[in-house]
Amino acid sequence: QKEVEQNSGPLSVPEGAIASLNCTYSDRGSQSFFWYRQYSGKSPELIMFIYSNGDKEDGRFTAQLNKASQYVSLLIRDSQPSDSATYLCAVTGGGADGLTFGKGTHLIIQP
Amino acid sequence: GAVVSQHPSRVICKSGTSVKIECRSLDFQATTMFWYRQFPKKSLMLMATSNEGSKATYEQGVEKDKFLINHASLTLSTLTVTSAHPEDSSFYICSARDLPAGGPGEQFFGPGTRLTVL
Repeated sequence: QKEVEQNSGPLSVPEGAIASLNCTYSDRGSQSFFWYRQYSGKSPELIMFIYSNGDKEDGRFTAQLNKASQYVSLLIRDSQPSDSATYLCAVTGGGADGLTFGKGTHLIIQP
Repeated sequence: GAVVSQHPSRVICKSGTSVKIECRSLDFQATTMFWYRQFPKKSLMLMATSNEGSKATYEQGVEKDKFLINHASLTLSTLTVTSAHPEDSSFYICSARDLPAGGPGEQFFGPGTRLTVL
């Protein structure tokens, strides 16, 4: 059974600092990796996806993937109070597979 | 970007009744739609995968006779919770894949439907 593990937090980071969110997954066959942000009572919104080993940068966000270690991370630079939310890591085996989500990390950016 | 809508956004019903939730892709054709459920303080759990014109594929532990899924067109999928019970109260979220524009696994989520069964 596919499992995605995240530290539930809360993770508290001062404004302007780098927030680092981590995720591990159990299925070595996983091919696509996603980070979603979810505000309370709302549906998830996609931040980034990554398919290949290494880093992928998009603005203040950097996703890192290490398939050998089955590890995905998300870095948020210059953290803002509006970044406070629950961050969900999700993986899929590719094709038309549904997403397997982690439980999410609650991030708090302190002004 | 791709937009997915859900209706209703919130529904309260009595135990034993059936509730239908609609999921629509507004500006793209979705050959595959997914239904997720999220209980309070928990993560999203995939319930089923819905392919246009064929039967849905349900995840282990999800009762297909209780959660009826229909994907009659490339822009509409419906989830019907039959004979709802209080333990079915949850946040139901659909998503759709935009294959031509998106990546191999990219899904666009609807805003969700909050179901409360009294």
